Amino acid sequence: DGGITQSPKYLFRKEGQNVTLSCEQNLNHDAMYWYRQDPGQGLRLIYYSQIVNDFQKGDIAEGYSVSREKKESFPLTVTSAQKNPTAFYLCASNGAWGRGYTFGSGTRLTVV
Amino acid sequence: GQNIDQPTEMTATEGAIVQINCTYQTSGFNGLFWYQQHAGEAPTFLSYNVLDGLEEKGRFSSFLSRSKGYSYLLLKELQMKDSASYLCAVRDSSNDYKLSFGAGTTVTVRA
Repeated sequence: DGGITQSPKYLFRKEGQNVTLSCEQNLNHDAMYWYRQDPGQGLRLIYYSQIVNDFQKGDIAEGYSVSREKKESFPLTVTSAQKNPTAFYLCASNGAWGRGYTFGSGTRLTVV
Repeated sequence: GQNIDQPTEMTATEGAIVQINCTYQTSGFNGLFWYQQHAGEAPTFLSYNVLDGLEEKGRFSSFLSRSKGYSYLLLKELQMKDSASYLCAVRDSSNDYKLSFGAGTTVTVRA
């Protein structure tokens, strides 16, 4: 079955650490996205990639970095520069707009 | 940018009907989506409207009026499993690579 896999499901980070969230898709989609979800707020776009080896900043890119070396993979690194990283992170891909995004199951990141 | 508004919470009884409204402001409209999200899970696609009118899909229907910047999601014959957050998302033609999301409406279905 095709889909998007995010790992880990839960992640704990100490102050000052960088952590990387994994996102893998086997849908053959060109476009991939990272969103952040906080209580009471809509999903906010961190980074997106429309094609391999290319990515663009979204609305809240500060403190985050990404890479897109393979079509299937779009990992997100939360750096120590991100001052409030505790949130639910969702990865999505898009093949045709009539179906909208396909989302991964999310990673809940907590700073301890 | 987009301004997407939807009510924060709604409560309804099992078997009833609930209508979730969404209003939006865009510089150019290129589609509106509704997603369902259960707590701690990924959003799942419910509907897509790009032209005015009603799209019906089983117990769920979605309506769009582009001139009014307005959409609603209608949930009929409510079941307990419909308790979830419902997200309205808009694709703006000036930034058509992405979707912009409202904060979501939490629907609680009571027995």
